[in-house]
This record gives sequence, structure tokens and C-alpha cells, in this order.
Amino acid sequence: DAKTTQPPSMDCAEGRAANLPCNHSTISGNEYVYWYRQIHSQGPQYIIHGLKNNETNEMASLIITEDRKSSTLILPHATLRDTAVYYCIVRPGGGSQGNLIFGKGTKLSVKP
Amino acid sequence: DTAVSQTPKYLVTQMGNDKSIKCEQNLGHDTMYWYKQDSKKFLKIMFSYNNKELIINETVPNRFSPKSPDKAHLNLHINSLELGDSAVYFCASSPGQGLGPLHFGNGTRLTVT
Repeated sequence: DAKTTQPPSMDCAEGRAANLPCNHSTISGNEYVYWYRQIHSQGPQYIIHGLKNNETNEMASLIITEDRKSSTLILPHATLRDTAVYYCIVRPGGGSQGNLIFGKGTKLSVKP
Repeated sequence: DTAVSQTPKYLVTQMGNDKSIKCEQNLGHDTMYWYKQDSKKFLKIMFSYNNKELIINETVPNRFSPKSPDKAHLNLHINSLELGDSAVYFCASSPGQGLGPLHFGNGTRLTVT
């Protein structure tokens, strides 16, 4: 079973920041938080991941709370092309056999 | 220069037939996966191979047989297809077991009639 909880859907106005929350209250010390998204009819696309520090790349920022029980994915300037289902996943790192277990995700709709 | 490519993109076949889906990655990754996405959009792992060796087999019926001729290829053969096998099948790869993000192909939509 997925170890994360996300809202089923969210709306965001084009050009505004999209903040997608994720709860992972049972996360273990060696588990990373990964974010993927799936645009309609395509394969899931990796966005970002982190362990405990906040992370930023060209696609998004990841804010992880100090207790690591929740995180927020931030798309700073959402565009219509960001409309997708966003998945938050926790996964052991460092060579273990952990694999991605996808939950239901959050369907983000970016509106003009 | 597609990183993970699957063929065919669409596959329509009748119950009882045998079919194969091919997957190739040009990322130099050691680990490859097959995921199934059903009509409710849940993505579930089926198999994981690391350097041509089976690592994960998630209680998939033995009608499904993955084959990895080399670490860049992981094909999925399905015998005696059933209606419930209709789904989108995604191939993915990663640098190693539990290492780095997965890169997914664009899926194969299998329809069994």
C-alpha cells in the first residue's frame, strides 16, 4: 500500500504557484520522498526527490518539514502543460530493493 | 534519442492469444521494471530486473513471463490473454536497485476482447 496521503484534486490559476501537499507520517529514516507526475496518456515523469533538506531544480521545489512527516511540491509558475496527476512516493534509498509504490496522487488542473 | 522506448504503443487482441511487449533503454541503467496501470489508474509494479536477473516478482500470474536478453532490454510475454489483462503497461529503468529516479516509457495500451 502507498505510504502517502494526498488530496485527490487541486486547481491552480495559470502563472500562479501550485503548492501540492503530501502527508507521509510513517516515513522511516532512510526513506526518500519522490515526486512524479503523469500527463494524460504518457508515462510517469520524475520531478524531484529529497531526504530531509529542501531541494530545487529546474522543474520544481520540494519543501520537507523538519519532522519529515509531510512535504510540499511547489511549481513556481504553473502553466497549462503542468496539468497532470502528481504522485508523492516514499522509497528507501541506497541500493535497497525498494521500488516505487504509487498511490492515487493529486490531479492538478491548471486553468487559464 | 528516446530514453525508454516500448513497442507497440497499442495492442488489441483476443482472449487466449499470446502476445509480447518490447522495451529498450539507452540510458545505461542496470535495473528495469514493468508496471501495470489498470482502469482505475493505479500503477502497480509487476517485475524488476537488475543486470538481467529477476529481483522482484509481485504475485503476477505465471502467464506473464519477463525476459531480459541484456541489461538494455526487458520484454514482457503474456500467454493465454484474459479480459482482465487489459491495461496500460509501462516499462521503466533506473541506475540501480533503489538508486536514483525511475525513467518510464510512454506505455503500451493492451486491449483484450
